[in-house]
Amino acid sequence: AQTVTQSQPEMSVQEAETVTLSCTYDTSESDYYLFWYKQPPSRQMILVIRQEAYKQQNATENRFSVNFQKAAKSFSLKISDSQLGDAAMYFCAYLIYNQGGKLIFGQGTELSVKP
Amino acid sequence: GAGVSQSPRYKVAKRGQDVALRCDPISGHVSLFWYQQALGQGPEFLTYFQNEAQLDKSGLPSDRFFAERPEGSVSTLKIQRTQQEDSAVYLCASSLGLAGGLVDEQYFGPGTRLTVT
Repeated sequence: AQTVTQSQPEMSVQEAETVTLSCTYDTSESDYYLFWYKQPPSRQMILVIRQEAYKQQNATENRFSVNFQKAAKSFSLKISDSQLGDAAMYFCAYLIYNQGGKLIFGQGTELSVKP
Repeated sequence: GAGVSQSPRYKVAKRGQDVALRCDPISGHVSLFWYQQALGQGPEFLTYFQNEAQLDKSGLPSDRFFAERPEGSVSTLKIQRTQQEDSAVYLCASSLGLAGGLVDEQYFGPGTRLTVT
């Protein structure tokens, strides 16, 4: 079965600090893509960062970076210099290249940011 | 330009009623996806269109669920004889999905929250 596990239902971080959200996945495919999505309370899902499985270099987007460990099937998200606007649900997801683009999501981690 | 829009934003249906949920994708986006998000859960894939062709409907939970995209733009998700377990947020997403571009970013709409009483 293709699954995504986010073991932290809730996380909290102090403003300006760093927080890491964990994600593990299970697939037997070799060609896939990994994503972190943010879903604020308004519910519109926004892409935060993506990683192609064939790339060894970890993706970075401004304050957001990932730690991709392919052998361990781990894909964690690090948020540096946390801001109040980072508070949201974060979903880890993957997509198998030859399966039409459907995303398989984890259950989410709710991140709160304390001022 | 405008993003993905969905209507209605909220829908309350009595058990047994039929409902129709609409999705307007970003203009020019070839691929369109429907997901179901139960309360406190991550979205789950329902179905996928490339233009007007429904290429994958493996996630539709029962034959009461039907989706169409007749002209390759607007899509409608229809649920017949609604049940309480159908209560969820239904998300639509679109992507450019051009030749070989199946991993284009999916842009999500705000969702339709369906409550079946």
